[in-house]
Amino acid sequence: AQSVTQPDIHITVSEGASLELRCNYSYGATPYLFWYVQSPGQGLQLLLKYFSGDTLVQGIKGFEAEFKRSQSSFNLRKPSVHWSDAAEYFCAVGARTGGFKTIFGAGTRLFVKA
Amino acid sequence: DADVTQTPRNRITKTGKRIMLECSQTKGHDRMYWYRQDPGLGLRLIYYSFDVKDINKGEISDGYSVSRQAQAKFSLSLESAIPNQTALYFCATSDSRGQGAITGELFFGEGSRLTVL
Repeated sequence: AQSVTQPDIHITVSEGASLELRCNYSYGATPYLFWYVQSPGQGLQLLLKYFSGDTLVQGIKGFEAEFKRSQSSFNLRKPSVHWSDAAEYFCAVGARTGGFKTIFGAGTRLFVKA
Repeated sequence: DADVTQTPRNRITKTGKRIMLECSQTKGHDRMYWYRQDPGLGLRLIYYSFDVKDINKGEISDGYSVSRQAQAKFSLSLESAIPNQTALYFCATSDSRGQGAITGELFFGEGSRLTVL
């Protein structure tokens, strides 16, 4: 069965610093991978997705993620964090079994300090 | 207006009460989902529906039921609420056609916070 691990419950970075959020997945076939962001009081919004092709994918708000099959990872990065990036970030894996199901990681909460 | 609307946004109730959370969407998507969010656990799937006549249990369906009244409406019921059902509940949609069929992207409502005392 597929699963997603986000090792960091929370991370604090300074505004302007670079960011990397870790995600490891378990899935037997080629995964569909997602990063969603949840701002306070809001629903989840898709940041980016990978399902084939170039393993470095670009998303909204200046985020990117790299799929590394050998490491079963899909880490999210941003070169320079803004205060408005403070939110909770969820990595997810989609599986095409009996329809399309999405399994979410536990989330990483990002704090941004001035 | 939001494409995926959940009502109520907040609800406090007592143990044993029946509660219904409603979800409606204007995206024209055929697939709808109910997720539950708990701190440290991420989102867990309660029920999902791929069309009006299709209802499927997710990983944590015990204590919940759903109804797909129309393609645009999907409601979640707690027949007899208990305190460990206190959580943030999300409705989501996806499209089985076009790009959505390939990627399975989910579109979320803003959530319904339920507190069971």
